[in-house]
Amino acid sequence: QKEVEQNSGPLSVPEGAIASLNCTYSDRGSQSFFWYRQYSGKSPELIMSIYSNGDKEDGRFTAQLNKASQYVSLLIRDSQPSDSATYLCAVRGHVWNFNKFYFGSGTKLNVKP
Amino acid sequence: DGGITQSPKYLFRKEGQNVTLSCEQNLNHDAMYWYRQDPGQGLRLIYYSQIVNDFQKGDIAEGYSVSREKKESFPLTVTSAQKNPTAFYLCASSTYRDYPNTGELFFGEGSRLTVL
Repeated sequence: QKEVEQNSGPLSVPEGAIASLNCTYSDRGSQSFFWYRQYSGKSPELIMSIYSNGDKEDGRFTAQLNKASQYVSLLIRDSQPSDSATYLCAVRGHVWNFNKFYFGSGTKLNVKP
Repeated sequence: DGGITQSPKYLFRKEGQNVTLSCEQNLNHDAMYWYRQDPGQGLRLIYYSQIVNDFQKGDIAEGYSVSREKKESFPLTVTSAQKNPTAFYLCASSTYRDYPNTGELFFGEGSRLTVL
């Protein structure tokens, strides 16, 4: 079982719609969760971090964390063509592997004009 | 500006040659990382270092070597023993913070290595 799992997509949404990206993780003790956006040929860019259960909003982005279900999601409201990219979910290890970050394989998002 | 600088951005290598990719950060981060990304694939950890003069193998360390003589620098050498080195290489760094906000991972712009 992989530490972090994501649906590879592609996820296609029309411009202006809400895009919903999902991620599950295997280590129940994990405390730190991150979403990265990666444009084709570029390096990943951190867009959200979340540490507590519930929702965290930043502009058009909302991260949602449910530790009981071991589930992290990213909502993108009013999706724009410029949001088309691959979104990577990452989970930081804890205790003995605190300095390791585990990445999902990414979900490719296509926003159609 | 604070950040992570990788060089070169593009590198071509002949088979049998060793090459070294540079990574420098001025974020005062303790931990540094090297990842490899193949087309359409996720990130795979090559090596990481939590402190100067110490580093640990990641999931795909074979054919690679690193050093951490300074906090700011974490160069990666791709040796001739790496059978399929053509890939996008990403350097990253992170800091420690107490729980629960344990610190994010930041990436450099990457180095694209092609073996001819």
